Amino acid sequence: LAKTTQPISMDSYEGQEVNITCSHNNIATNDYITWYQQFPSQGPRFIIQGYKTKVTNEVASLFIPADRKSSTLSLPRVSLSDTAVYYCLVGDMGYSSASKIIFGSGTRLSIRP
Amino acid sequence: NAGVTQTPKFQVLKTGQSMTLQCAQDMNHEYMSWYRQDPGMGLRLIHYSVGAGITDQGEVPNGYNVSRSTTEDFPLRLLSAAPSQTSVYFCASSSVARLGYEQFFGPGTRLTVL
Repeated sequence: LAKTTQPISMDSYEGQEVNITCSHNNIATNDYITWYQQFPSQGPRFIIQGYKTKVTNEVASLFIPADRKSSTLSLPRVSLSDTAVYYCLVGDMGYSSASKIIFGSGTRLSIRP
Repeated sequence: NAGVTQTPKFQVLKTGQSMTLQCAQDMNHEYMSWYRQDPGMGLRLIHYSVGAGITDQGEVPNGYNVSRSTTEDFPLRLLSAAPSQTSVYFCASSSVARLGYEQFFGPGTRLTVL
Protein backbone atom coordinates (compact mmCIF):
# COMPACT_ATOMS: atom_id res chain seq x y z
CA LEU A 1 0.00 0.00 0.00
CA ALA A 2 1.37 3.40 -0.97
CA LYS A 3 2.45 5.56 1.96
CA THR A 4 0.68 8.90 2.18
CA THR A 5 1.79 12.20 3.67
CA GLN A 6 -0.67 14.90 4.71
CA PRO A 7 -0.31 18.09 6.72
CA ILE A 8 -1.05 17.47 10.38
CA SER A 9 -3.34 20.48 10.65
CA MET A 10 -4.77 23.40 8.68
CA ASP A 11 -6.74 26.50 9.60
CA SER A 12 -9.10 28.51 7.45
CA TYR A 13 -12.09 30.84 7.65
CA GLU A 14 -15.73 30.47 6.76
CA GLY A 15 -16.47 31.06 3.11
CA GLN A 16 -12.95 30.25 1.94
CA GLU A 17 -11.93 27.42 -0.36
CA VAL A 18 -9.73 24.88 1.39
CA ASN A 19 -7.29 22.62 -0.41
CA ILE A 20 -5.72 19.68 1.40
CA THR A 21 -2.89 17.97 -0.43
CA CYS A 22 -1.83 14.37 0.02
CA SER A 23 1.50 13.05 -1.28
CA HIS A 24 1.75 9.44 -2.43
CA ASN A 25 4.96 9.10 -4.39
CA ASN A 26 4.83 5.29 -4.54
CA ILE A 27 1.29 4.99 -5.89
CA ALA A 28 0.80 1.88 -8.00
CA THR A 29 -1.01 1.53 -11.31
CA ASN A 30 -4.08 -0.11 -9.77
CA ASP A 31 -4.33 2.22 -6.79
CA TYR A 32 -7.30 4.51 -6.16
CA ILE A 33 -7.29 7.62 -3.99
CA THR A 34 -10.02 7.92 -1.38
CA TRP A 35 -10.80 10.67 1.13
CA TYR A 36 -12.76 10.35 4.36
CA GLN A 37 -14.00 12.93 6.86
CA GLN A 38 -14.32 12.31 10.58
CA PHE A 39 -16.09 14.47 13.14
CA PRO A 40 -15.30 14.09 16.85
CA SER A 41 -16.92 11.04 18.43
CA GLN A 42 -18.17 9.76 15.07
CA GLY A 43 -17.04 7.21 12.56
CA PRO A 44 -15.40 8.38 9.32
CA ARG A 45 -17.59 9.34 6.39
CA PHE A 46 -16.68 8.75 2.75
CA ILE A 47 -16.20 11.98 0.82
CA ILE A 48 -14.82 11.20 -2.60
CA GLN A 49 -12.72 8.75 -4.59
CA GLY A 50 -10.79 9.07 -7.83
CA TYR A 51 -8.20 7.49 -10.06
CA LYS A 52 -6.98 10.34 -12.30
CA THR A 53 -7.75 13.91 -13.42
CA LYS A 54 -10.67 15.49 -11.60
CA VAL A 55 -13.66 14.14 -9.75
CA THR A 56 -16.43 16.32 -8.37
CA ASN A 57 -19.46 15.58 -6.25
CA GLU A 58 -21.86 17.67 -4.20
CA VAL A 59 -19.41 17.88 -1.30
CA ALA A 60 -15.91 18.25 -2.74
CA SER A 61 -13.58 18.01 -5.70
CA LEU A 62 -10.55 15.79 -6.04
CA PHE A 63 -7.70 16.87 -8.29
CA ILE A 64 -5.15 14.28 -9.40
CA PRO A 65 -2.24 15.31 -11.63
CA ALA A 66 -1.07 13.15 -14.51
CA ASP A 67 1.75 11.52 -12.53
CA ARG A 68 -0.69 10.69 -9.69
CA LYS A 69 2.02 11.21 -7.07
CA SER A 70 -0.21 13.60 -5.18
CA SER A 71 -3.85 14.56 -4.90
CA THR A 72 -5.72 17.59 -3.62
CA LEU A 73 -9.05 17.55 -1.86
CA SER A 74 -10.85 20.84 -2.46
CA LEU A 75 -13.67 22.00 -0.20
CA PRO A 76 -15.51 25.01 -1.66
CA ARG A 77 -16.73 27.77 0.65
CA VAL A 78 -16.17 25.98 3.93
CA SER A 79 -18.33 26.51 6.99
CA LEU A 80 -17.79 25.84 10.68
CA SER A 81 -19.35 22.41 10.19
CA ASP A 82 -16.42 21.39 7.97
CA THR A 83 -14.15 21.35 11.03
CA ALA A 84 -13.03 17.72 11.11
CA VAL A 85 -10.16 15.34 10.44
CA TYR A 86 -9.63 14.41 6.79
CA TYR A 87 -7.96 11.15 5.80
CA CYS A 88 -6.32 10.32 2.48
CA LEU A 89 -6.12 6.63 1.59
CA VAL A 90 -4.32 5.17 -1.39
CA GLY A 91 -4.41 1.59 -2.58
CA ASP A 92 -6.20 -0.88 -4.79
CA MET A 93 -8.26 -1.51 -1.70
CA GLY A 94 -9.06 -5.03 -2.73
CA TYR A 95 -9.77 -7.29 0.19
CA SER A 96 -6.67 -9.31 -0.59
CA SER A 97 -4.64 -6.35 0.59
CA ALA A 98 -6.96 -5.44 3.45
CA SER A 99 -4.36 -6.11 6.10
CA LYS A 100 -2.38 -3.16 4.79
CA ILE A 101 -5.18 -0.59 4.91
CA ILE A 102 -3.93 2.31 7.01
CA PHE A 103 -5.87 5.48 7.67
CA GLY A 104 -2.93 7.37 9.12
CA SER A 105 -3.32 10.39 11.38
CA GLY A 106 -5.11 12.58 8.82
CA THR A 107 -5.30 16.38 8.57
CA ARG A 108 -7.09 18.24 11.33
CA LEU A 109 -8.96 21.11 9.65
CA SER A 110 -10.18 23.96 11.83
CA ILE A 111 -12.57 26.55 10.40
CA ARG A 112 -12.92 29.90 12.15
CA PRO A 113 -15.78 32.41 11.88
CA ASN B 1 -32.68 2.21 7.27
CA ALA B 2 -30.75 2.29 10.52
CA GLY B 3 -27.44 1.87 8.65
CA VAL B 4 -24.68 0.44 10.84
CA THR B 5 -25.50 0.08 14.51
CA GLN B 6 -23.13 -0.75 17.34
CA THR B 7 -23.76 -1.73 20.94
CA PRO B 8 -22.84 -0.85 23.58
CA LYS B 9 -21.81 2.79 23.17
CA PHE B 10 -19.63 2.71 26.27
CA GLN B 11 -18.08 -0.16 28.22
CA VAL B 12 -15.68 -0.48 31.12
CA LEU B 13 -13.95 -3.80 31.68
CA LYS B 14 -11.43 -5.15 34.13
CA THR B 15 -8.26 -6.76 32.88
CA GLY B 16 -8.91 -10.38 31.94
CA GLN B 17 -12.64 -10.01 31.35
CA SER B 18 -14.15 -10.98 28.03
CA MET B 19 -16.94 -9.33 26.10
CA THR B 20 -18.53 -9.03 22.69
CA LEU B 21 -19.03 -5.81 20.77
CA GLN B 22 -22.09 -6.03 18.57
CA CYS B 23 -22.36 -4.68 15.04
CA ALA B 24 -25.31 -4.92 12.69
CA GLN B 25 -26.17 -3.43 9.31
CA ASP B 26 -29.45 -3.39 7.41
CA MET B 27 -28.11 -2.44 3.97
CA ASN B 28 -27.48 -6.00 2.81
CA HIS B 29 -23.77 -5.26 2.50
CA GLU B 30 -21.50 -8.24 1.99
CA TYR B 31 -18.38 -6.60 3.37
CA MET B 32 -17.96 -5.70 7.02
CA SER B 33 -14.95 -4.73 9.09
CA TRP B 34 -13.79 -3.68 12.53
CA TYR B 35 -11.36 -0.85 13.28
CA ARG B 36 -9.90 0.57 16.44
CA GLN B 37 -8.94 4.20 16.93
CA ASP B 38 -6.61 5.29 19.68
CA PRO B 39 -6.53 8.94 20.86
CA GLY B 40 -5.16 11.28 18.19
CA MET B 41 -4.54 8.40 15.81
CA GLY B 42 -6.03 7.09 12.63
CA LEU B 43 -8.03 3.90 12.33
CA ARG B 44 -6.41 0.48 12.29
CA LEU B 45 -8.11 -2.55 10.77
CA ILE B 46 -8.66 -5.46 13.17
CA HIS B 47 -10.68 -8.02 11.19
CA TYR B 48 -12.89 -8.02 8.15
CA SER B 49 -15.41 -10.23 6.40
CA VAL B 50 -16.29 -10.55 2.73
CA GLY B 51 -19.49 -12.47 3.38
CA ALA B 52 -21.27 -14.83 5.75
CA GLY B 53 -18.89 -17.53 6.93
CA ILE B 54 -15.77 -15.75 5.63
CA THR B 55 -13.46 -13.68 7.82
CA ASP B 56 -9.83 -12.60 7.71
CA GLN B 57 -7.31 -10.71 9.78
CA GLY B 58 -6.43 -7.07 9.39
CA GLU B 59 -3.49 -5.08 10.69
CA VAL B 60 -3.97 -5.62 14.44
CA PRO B 61 -5.93 -8.89 15.01
CA ASN B 62 -4.25 -10.17 18.18
CA GLY B 63 -6.60 -10.46 21.14
CA TYR B 64 -9.75 -10.31 19.03
CA ASN B 65 -12.01 -12.90 17.42
CA VAL B 66 -14.79 -12.47 14.89
CA SER B 67 -17.42 -14.59 13.23
CA ARG B 68 -19.97 -13.91 10.51
CA SER B 69 -22.94 -16.25 10.69
CA THR B 70 -25.33 -13.86 8.92
CA THR B 71 -24.99 -11.05 6.41
CA GLU B 72 -26.33 -8.55 8.94
CA ASP B 73 -24.19 -9.21 12.01
CA PHE B 74 -20.45 -9.08 12.64
CA PRO B 75 -19.62 -9.30 16.36
CA LEU B 76 -16.12 -8.64 17.73
CA ARG B 77 -15.02 -10.65 20.75
CA LEU B 78 -12.34 -9.62 23.19
CA LEU B 79 -11.01 -12.83 24.66
CA SER B 80 -9.15 -11.49 27.70
CA ALA B 81 -9.24 -7.71 27.91
CA ALA B 82 -6.00 -5.80 28.44
CA PRO B 83 -5.42 -2.08 29.11
CA SER B 84 -3.80 -1.84 25.66
CA GLN B 85 -7.23 -2.54 24.18
CA THR B 86 -8.64 0.68 25.58
CA SER B 87 -9.82 2.40 22.42
CA VAL B 88 -12.79 3.42 20.33
CA TYR B 89 -14.02 0.62 18.12
CA PHE B 90 -15.75 1.26 14.82
CA CYS B 91 -17.62 -1.23 12.69
CA ALA B 92 -18.06 -0.54 8.98
CA SER B 93 -19.82 -2.08 6.01
CA SER B 94 -19.52 -1.72 2.28
CA SER B 95 -21.36 -3.02 -0.75
CA VAL B 96 -18.37 -3.18 -3.05
CA ALA B 97 -15.21 -5.21 -3.00
CA ARG B 98 -12.89 -2.34 -2.27
CA LEU B 99 -12.30 -1.56 1.39
CA GLY B 100 -11.60 2.11 0.82
CA TYR B 101 -14.67 2.66 -1.29
CA GLU B 102 -17.67 4.18 0.45
CA GLN B 103 -17.60 2.31 3.71
CA PHE B 104 -20.41 3.17 6.09
CA PHE B 105 -19.28 3.44 9.69
CA GLY B 106 -21.20 2.90 12.89
CA PRO B 107 -21.17 5.39 15.79
CA GLY B 108 -18.45 3.53 17.66
CA THR B 109 -18.02 1.80 21.01
CA ARG B 110 -15.78 3.49 23.56
CA LEU B 111 -14.04 0.77 25.58
CA THR B 112 -11.97 1.30 28.71
CA VAL B 113 -10.00 -1.57 30.23
CA LEU B 114 -8.84 -1.02 33.80
